[in-house]
Amino acid sequence: DVKVTQSSRYLVKRTGEKVFLECVQDMDHENMFWYRQDPGLGLRLIYFSYDVKMKEKGDIPEGYSVSREKKERFSLILESASTNQTSMYLCAASVKVTEAFFGQGTRLTVV
Amino acid sequence: KQEVTQIPAALSVPEGENLVLNCSFTDSAIYNLQWFRQDPGKGLTSLLLIQSSQREQTSGRLNASLDKSSGRSTLYIAASQPGDSATYLCALFNQAGTALIFGKGTTLSVSS
Repeated sequence: DVKVTQSSRYLVKRTGEKVFLECVQDMDHENMFWYRQDPGLGLRLIYFSYDVKMKEKGDIPEGYSVSREKKERFSLILESASTNQTSMYLCAASVKVTEAFFGQGTRLTVV
Repeated sequence: KQEVTQIPAALSVPEGENLVLNCSFTDSAIYNLQWFRQDPGKGLTSLLLIQSSQREQTSGRLNASLDKSSGRSTLYIAASQPGDSATYLCALFNQAGTALIFGKGTTLSVSS
């Protein structure tokens, strides 16, 4: 199975900080995704990347940016963290539209 | 736009029962359908992937079926155990292949 690793399980950051969430996959998967998950709202796509330096906005990109300089690594950046970005963040990887594999999630709290 | 619905939102059963979780989708033109399990505070674990050309897929006590024409998939869990307690999510790719669309999940509780 593909292994997708997120750099932190838990993070606590202050309002206004710049926050980096890192995701690394151990296979040569083109597609990588960042989702956030909130109670009652389910999983919502923030950004999608289909190759190095290529990205597309998802449903809720406001307040976020991404970086994909190497195929195996996809970073989510919160430019200026706010309390409404407190959430569970999930990274995933897939080969085109085949099976998707998720990381263990990062629980981010912004205080 | 593809929409995915899972009913019920929550389910409680005694150990040993066989059970069925439901997933419905609005657009039958799909690539495949994937079932995931999520334990509290954790990431998603892939359980089964059904290709659009398949009718069902099995792994151990789990069996997933797919009926594209009616826009439905079911996940059958045989002889449920307390360790099966988790949230189960179904998902499929949008037409452009740029996003997995998820249902809101069914939270299963199996009591011993």
